[in-house]
Amino acid sequence: DAGITQSPRHKVTETGTPVTLRCHQTENHRYMYWYRQDPGHGLRLIHYSYGVKDTDKGEVSDGYSVSRSKTEDFLLTLESATSSQTSVYFCAISERGQGIGEKLFFGSGTQLSVL
Amino acid sequence: AQKITQTQPGMFVQEKEAVTLDCTYDTSDPSYGLFWYKQPSSGEMIFLIYQGSYDQQNATEGRYSLNFQKARKSANLVISASQLGDSAMYFCAMRDYSGSARQLTFGSGTQLTVLP
Repeated sequence: DAGITQSPRHKVTETGTPVTLRCHQTENHRYMYWYRQDPGHGLRLIHYSYGVKDTDKGEVSDGYSVSRSKTEDFLLTLESATSSQTSVYFCAISERGQGIGEKLFFGSGTQLSVL
Repeated sequence: AQKITQTQPGMFVQEKEAVTLDCTYDTSDPSYGLFWYKQPSSGEMIFLIYQGSYDQQNATEGRYSLNFQKARKSANLVISASQLGDSAMYFCAMRDYSGSARQLTFGSGTQLTVLP
């Protein structure tokens, strides 16, 4: 199994509060991704990183920010959580990220509930 | 625009029978990759099988095979000899050259239930 750890695994928070989710990898992979999973939508890309301090937006980036200060850590921050951000969040990694056949390895997910 | 379409929200199959999960895709790139992932009730995402657009033969991985019909833009997953442990959500995904991330775009998934 790929060495990907997401924390926390579950979180309940209130609307308007900041929330940070952490993804830690031990594979030294260059690319890291944050996806959210919602019923009827599959997984949608929020942000991704292609190196330390190199990040870019995905399909559903509004309301989210990310940071990557070390190869192994990729943080997802909800500056002011809203109920629409209740979701399961997955971190994923890939070694190079450039190949068409490059597969993603996923963490176990974080269940976030915003009340 | 929807790039990956999975039209079967739920499927049932009898144990030991084969089942086909449908996936159609949309891209104008000649080079792309198609993936299937399995998500059991425990929640983790498990890679199953990959098919490249230039691959001449359909991909196979054990009991999983990918029925790739390029002209129809379909990449259906076939599971042979279904087992109870195959009950899970299955996602089809595609990567092409659009966008700088060459990100993996997922369909909405098919919930497969294997009946004893």
